Amino acid sequence: DTGVSQNPRHKITKRGQNVTFRCDPISEHNRLYWYRQTLGQGPEFLTYFQNEAQLEKSRLLSDRFSAERPKGSFSTLEIQRTEQGDSAMYLCASSPAAYSEGYTFGSGTRLTVV
Amino acid sequence: DQQVKQNSPSLSVQEGRISILNCDYTNSMFDYFLWYKKYPAEGPTFLISISSIKDKNEDGRFTVFLNKSAKHLSLHIVPSQPGDSAVYFCAAKAGNNRKLIWGLGTSLAVNP
Repeated sequence: DTGVSQNPRHKITKRGQNVTFRCDPISEHNRLYWYRQTLGQGPEFLTYFQNEAQLEKSRLLSDRFSAERPKGSFSTLEIQRTEQGDSAMYLCASSPAAYSEGYTFGSGTRLTVV
Repeated sequence: DQQVKQNSPSLSVQEGRISILNCDYTNSMFDYFLWYKKYPAEGPTFLISISSIKDKNEDGRFTVFLNKSAKHLSLHIVPSQPGDSAVYFCAAKAGNNRKLIWGLGTSLAVNP
């Protein structure tokens, strides 16, 4: 297990289509986070899981967004009826219980809505 | 309202010299601070962190200083190397809240 894996790396979709991204965290990390980053901005928090429980969800996430972590391992982030404003880098991170180690981020999924 | 501010969008430093990246915050509840480095098309990479009970933490060429009264922290890189060229983000969290609040980043260029 070499790190956090995100798929796909890039996704181009037409406005109105649904997209789903996958994140595989480091296996011994029980915490998983989704962030979104647009150009010139820092990452913005979207949601956080501890094991399979979704403990916090940002107000940034409209009803079109849903995230799951069904078995406490990998997670999926789905965006329904995509809009051009959804174009961003979607970052997944995981962390162990000891927070001082910081998060480990994946390489992200670059979404472009045309 | 930007709770974590990195007021310098970019910084250029000569190889071998010190790089100083600054970060200011407004939320006095923040008690843990982290620095991340980000290369293009990659996710952020954790560099170094500091708890509010400390005023300095050092790891190799990287040192983070925290001035709680001024709500200011800084990252020092000595000596700077061309491979350090990247965007550096300051991030903060409060208590048991797992959510990180990020600055906008500072783009560091280390010139050979």
